Amino acid sequence: EIVLTQSPGTLSLSPGERATLSCRASQIVTSSYLGWYQQKPGQAPRLLIYGTSSRSTGIPDRFSGSGSGTDFTLTISRLEPEDFAVYYCQQYGSSPFTFGPGTKVDIK
Amino acid sequence: EVQLLDSGGTLVQPGGSLRLSCAASGFTFRNSPMSWVRQAPGQGLEWVSVIYSGGHSIYYADSVKGRFTISRDDSKNTLYLQMNSLRAEDTAAYYCVSHTRFGPFDSWGQGTLVTVSS
Repeated sequence: EIVLTQSPGTLSLSPGERATLSCRASQIVTSSYLGWYQQKPGQAPRLLIYGTSSRSTGIPDRFSGSGSGTDFTLTISRLEPEDFAVYYCQQYGSSPFTFGPGTKVDIK
Repeated sequence: EVQLLDSGGTLVQPGGSLRLSCAASGFTFRNSPMSWVRQAPGQGLEWVSVIYSGGHSIYYADSVKGRFTISRDDSKNTLYLQMNSLRAEDTAAYYCVSHTRFGPFDSWGQGTLVTVSS
């Protein structure tokens, strides 16, 4: 099983600031099979990024993903009020399709 | 537009059984792998099970193996999760998710809440 670790657990930032979220895997993840999801309270998760760096339909370009091997990053270039949420990384290349524990981005 | 409507969640006693359903529309259901993902209150996401098109390939998380059974009825565009021998730690919102083989989880249901308690 591929274990994903996310850091930090909580990121306290102000609107307009840059957010950098990390996802580390216990073994190599093929870049095609790494995604990021956003979840707001009371809502289902939403796919943001797939294949490490491709934005899902309708996702603004302030969201970007990068990385390879065991280290991946989600960057939000300038935080908008609607971006304060929990973010999860996931590998979907092999069962079990594991998620990281999440990073909460909250308002400073 | 893809729509996934989860249902069947309720309060059930430990050791009990429950069947969740997910009605799908807006895409070719029979061709789509489908998964269940759950989220305990205040916790993160946990993948539970996947069933591929045709229903011949099925996988489970170790935490539910032997207790839960995933199935699909392509004639009704519906996904199911039969949950037996329920435990308190199965308490969670359960989401059905559509995706492609080796693809991201791109469409999610709204979730249905299962509470296991006496």
